[in-house]
Amino acid sequence: EVQLVESGGGLVQPGGSLRLSCAASGFTFSGYWMHWVRQVPGKGLVWVSRIKTDGSITGYADSVKGRFTVSRDNAKNTLYLQMNSLRAEDTAVYYCARDDHLSYWGQGTLVTVSS
Amino acid sequence: QSALTQPASVSGSPGQSITISCTGTSSDVGTYNLVSWYQQHPGKAPKLIIYEVTQRPSGVSNTFSGSKSGNTASLTISGLQAEDEADYYCCSYAGNRIFVFGGGTKLTVL
Repeated sequence: EVQLVESGGGLVQPGGSLRLSCAASGFTFSGYWMHWVRQVPGKGLVWVSRIKTDGSITGYADSVKGRFTVSRDNAKNTLYLQMNSLRAEDTAVYYCARDDHLSYWGQGTLVTVSS
Repeated sequence: QSALTQPASVSGSPGQSITISCTGTSSDVGTYNLVSWYQQHPGKAPKLIIYEVTQRPSGVSNTFSGSKSGNTASLTISGLQAEDEADYYCCSYAGNRIFVFGGGTKLTVL
């Protein structure tokens, strides 16, 4: 069974940093590109980032470019999102999803940026 | 990277058909046949229901269908059921390693 489990969310002050993790199981993690998508509670989905199987290619939404970094450790079957210079507008539930059309999603981890 | 445009809400009665539009530009929906649709029930993670404009994943009801014309993609749900009440999102590849979602449509089954 495919499982994606996000962790690392929490309360952080504006300007602070946080690293999210997404633990994958039930499939060959190294064989899939992976995405991060976020959703402000009660609002719509917003695409954040994508990373190639070996980490050699990444893409970012303009709103996070230069502040967020996606990476992966295929030996640990884990996807990461390093978030720096956090702003109030980054407050959201962050989901990881498997490429192949975002066919599998985790349950999300809530990030709250507030003083 | 502007969000794709979806109607905020649509509604229909059980057994009826509804269509949700997703309008982008010639840089995303109009160029790439990489439009997908997701269903999200309250408090749940999104679920893929259509990919590559018209393809339905295994296990998804054939009451869901997708299409595209120009810069606009559409999701049609036929034979509406109460459990179809949810939020629906379209998503398209936009080139340059970027993806974009629509703003979402709330479907109410009357």
